[in-house]
Amino acid sequence: GESVGLHLPTLSVQEGDNSIINCAYSNSASDYFIWYKQESGKGPQFIIDIRSNMDKRQGQRVTVLLNKTVKHLSLQIAATQPGDSAVYLCAEDGFGNEKLTFGTGTRLTIIP
Amino acid sequence: SAVISQKPSRDICQRGTSLTIQCQVDSQVTMMFWYRQQPGQSLTLIATANQGSEATYESGFVIDKFPISRPNLTFSTLTVSNMSPEDSSIYLCSVTGLAGELPSSSYEQYFGPGTRLTVT
Repeated sequence: GESVGLHLPTLSVQEGDNSIINCAYSNSASDYFIWYKQESGKGPQFIIDIRSNMDKRQGQRVTVLLNKTVKHLSLQIAATQPGDSAVYLCAEDGFGNEKLTFGTGTRLTIIP
Repeated sequence: SAVISQKPSRDICQRGTSLTIQCQVDSQVTMMFWYRQQPGQSLTLIATANQGSEATYESGFVIDKFPISRPNLTFSTLTVSNMSPEDSSIYLCSVTGLAGELPSSSYEQYFGPGTRLTVT
């Protein structure tokens, strides 16, 4: 079946450095991709999204890149801060019906 | 944004019993969903809660095991029936389509804090 997966389950980054979190998806028909941040004991929180007709989208300290050729999605976090420590989840809306398929998640740890 | 609350926040239940989880939103919403997040795994969609009609279940989930109600545009319940240890998980509700929000290019699906269920 279709799936969304992540390359690395854990990532440790020095405070102040940039973080890059990757995600591979398998549904080539997916039109919409979203990154969520999930802190311990909380539900996922929307970070940024991108449609399939775009390659890049920027937010506040975050950038999402979409490479449709290799079905790869990445989240870049600039100048990582301790508050960025969380699990980051990628998700796709493969059928345009708001039903999301989630990846496993990458746990980002910030090293002081 | 939406403020979503879930009750209970956590519970420990005995196998064979049932637990009903409530999801309350502070504004009317179009869509409500229920997800499960098993330990160390991703979120998996259980069903779409439809107001005034039966929920729409995803493959692998059935109404007898996970009955869902949605009596209005701000409230839904998920029941985990005849529980077994394999049902130990975090259950999350999510919503889209907040009343009064202007359509935009982004799609924000808001999640509740989750209900952590442990079945012994």
